[in-house]
Amino acid sequence: EPEVTQTPSHQVTQMGQEVILRCVPISNHLYFYWYRQILGQKVEFLVSFYNNEISEKSEIFDDQFSVERPDGSNFTLKIRSTKLEDSAMYFCASRSGGQETQYFGPGTRLLVL
Amino acid sequence: AQTVTQSQPEMSVQEAETVTLSCTYDTSESDYYLFWYKQPPSRQMILVIRQEAYKQQNATENRFSVNFQKAAKSFSLKISDSQLGDAAMYFCAYRSVGSARQLTFGSGTQLTVLP
Repeated sequence: EPEVTQTPSHQVTQMGQEVILRCVPISNHLYFYWYRQILGQKVEFLVSFYNNEISEKSEIFDDQFSVERPDGSNFTLKIRSTKLEDSAMYFCASRSGGQETQYFGPGTRLLVL
Repeated sequence: AQTVTQSQPEMSVQEAETVTLSCTYDTSESDYYLFWYKQPPSRQMILVIRQEAYKQQNATENRFSVNFQKAAKSFSLKISDSQLGDAAMYFCAYRSVGSARQLTFGSGTQLTVLP
């Protein structure tokens, strides 16, 4: 069964450094999402992406964040200058055009020191 | 904006018994989707069950079923014949109808299954 994959599974970085989180959505899916979950808290929406552009973004998704689909298979989330409060689990999700269910990847655990 | 509330931070159930997890939501929309996701200790988000608001019939998926009360804006999850592998955090989620609409999650209910 096809699944969403994410790399790396864990990332430790220093405050102020740039990080890129990578996702490979399910191959025939058209809609892509990033969510984050700070430890012990609820899952929060960051951004949705369709047809090579951002569809919606939350207040969390400020100028420090960007997304890209560079090659038709990968979907990346970049944080330009990480802050301590960016430490969280980051989930990628994708959805096909004909289905309403979003399928999640296993997440990337980001720790900012 | 829509909100999703899960009022039970923790629940426990004896193996083979039945448990019901509560979820309420607030919306002014008439059509939408509701989901239950399971998050085991691995923290992967796994879809459990989905309900379309326009359908009156409650969704079922093997041992999992929902009680969808549209007028009351309630969407509870019933797990029958609970198994040790059901132990996880369960999140209720809402999604508006529309092309790229995101999920809005509740705060979760941690389910413990006792042997």
